[in-house]
Amino acid sequence: SAVISQKPSRDICQRGTSLTIQCQVDSQVTMMFWYRQQPGQSLTLIATANQGSEATYESGFVIDKFPISRPNLTFSTLTVSNMSPEDSSIYLCSVEMTGLEAFFGQGTRLTVV
Amino acid sequence: TQLLEQSPQFLSIQEGENLTVYCNSSSVFSSLQWYRQEPGEGPVLLVTVVTGGEVKKLKRLTFQFGDARKDSSLHITAAQPGDTGLYLCAGTNAGKSTFGDGTTLTVKP
Repeated sequence: SAVISQKPSRDICQRGTSLTIQCQVDSQVTMMFWYRQQPGQSLTLIATANQGSEATYESGFVIDKFPISRPNLTFSTLTVSNMSPEDSSIYLCSVEMTGLEAFFGQGTRLTVV
Repeated sequence: TQLLEQSPQFLSIQEGENLTVYCNSSSVFSSLQWYRQEPGEGPVLLVTVVTGGEVKKLKRLTFQFGDARKDSSLHITAAQPGDTGLYLCAGTNAGKSTFGDGTTLTVKP
């Protein structure tokens, strides 16, 4: 397994602003992912954070709204840009281990007011 | 699009009862995971099943992967209030996971 740390754990932000969420892993991993969990719902994959290249986004998510960085094999950031109340969610990063399973950080609970 | 259907969506039982949660898909997955999530926390991995027909036991929890690797079940024996939480199944291919909608379990003392 891996130890995954996310910062911040929670934040309350004004609409129209942006928030950058950090994800730090205690070991080098090939694949990192960002998920969104809207209130009362399950997890939806936003994008795959690729080291050394642009992130790969899932249908319904775009780089302008959710820019992602992956400068090395242990760190990634997700920015939620120009926020609206609809962006209020839990944002989670995960890492893939052994090609079979993913481990998650504790999540960032975002409230946009 | 790969979809996972979980049932039931909500389950409220008394302490000591048994329960089964189902996870079904029309897609084949390389592996399937079960997670448990508590409010304000990220999902915590309970088990990964890989082989069709595989059965894994984790104390009072029994996990089964269907022969065709499209469906799975989670059975809890003698449920306890500490089992309360959101249970999520996820099918994984090439490291990417598709999640079911979750089953919210409440175990009353």
